[in-house]
Amino acid sequence: GAVVSQHPSRVICKSGTSVKIECRSLDFQATTMFWYRQFPKQSLMLMATSNEGSKATYEQGVEKDKFLINHASLTLSTLTVTSAHPEDSSFYICSARSRDRGRNEQFFGPGTRLTVL
Amino acid sequence: EDQVTQSPEALRLQEGESSSLNCSYTVSGLRGLFWYRQDPGKGPEFLFTLYSAGEEKEKERLKATLTKKESFLHITAPKPEDSATYLCAVQARGGAQKLVFGQGTRLTINP
Repeated sequence: GAVVSQHPSRVICKSGTSVKIECRSLDFQATTMFWYRQFPKQSLMLMATSNEGSKATYEQGVEKDKFLINHASLTLSTLTVTSAHPEDSSFYICSARSRDRGRNEQFFGPGTRLTVL
Repeated sequence: EDQVTQSPEALRLQEGESSSLNCSYTVSGLRGLFWYRQDPGKGPEFLFTLYSAGEEKEKERLKATLTKKESFLHITAPKPEDSATYLCAVQARGGAQKLVFGQGTRLTINP
């Protein structure tokens, strides 16, 4: 149980285009989903927290107009990188917290490798 | 500000050579401390949650312990498949549920 999927696993795009990444909880309902980015040999940095049906909460320094987050249902959240530039190239990982669990574990997706040319 | 520091940054062991990884933390009221394992190019895999000082959890060759200032991940008789980066994260009490991660320890087990 507690499986989270991401799609696509890898994407290469041209500078200036927008890219959408999907995060799905496959066998549980997630009240809260989180988006992280990870640069090579560095740890995970939280970008934003999203709750189903409400606006995402962004961490300091993260541009909300550039990284659009939509949490449309209890099993799906999307991250759209708008007008992507080479500096946005990174490993993007989502996580989800189940509303059915009494604890606070977050379960992570496999990640999406974004390369902007 | 909540902070997590992991040591060492990298650790190389021989198969069967037991050791411990350290996670020191400062947090404004600990809600939970989490250990994850991350393989290259993949998302973190959940290992343990610890909630209070003195708590211990075990899974196969791994054992996690918690004090008021740090957590240890003990690995007993490791195998090459235990090679990975081990991440520690804390969650503070209060409304936000976010995790603050340490930099991780890259563990390599040589056969």
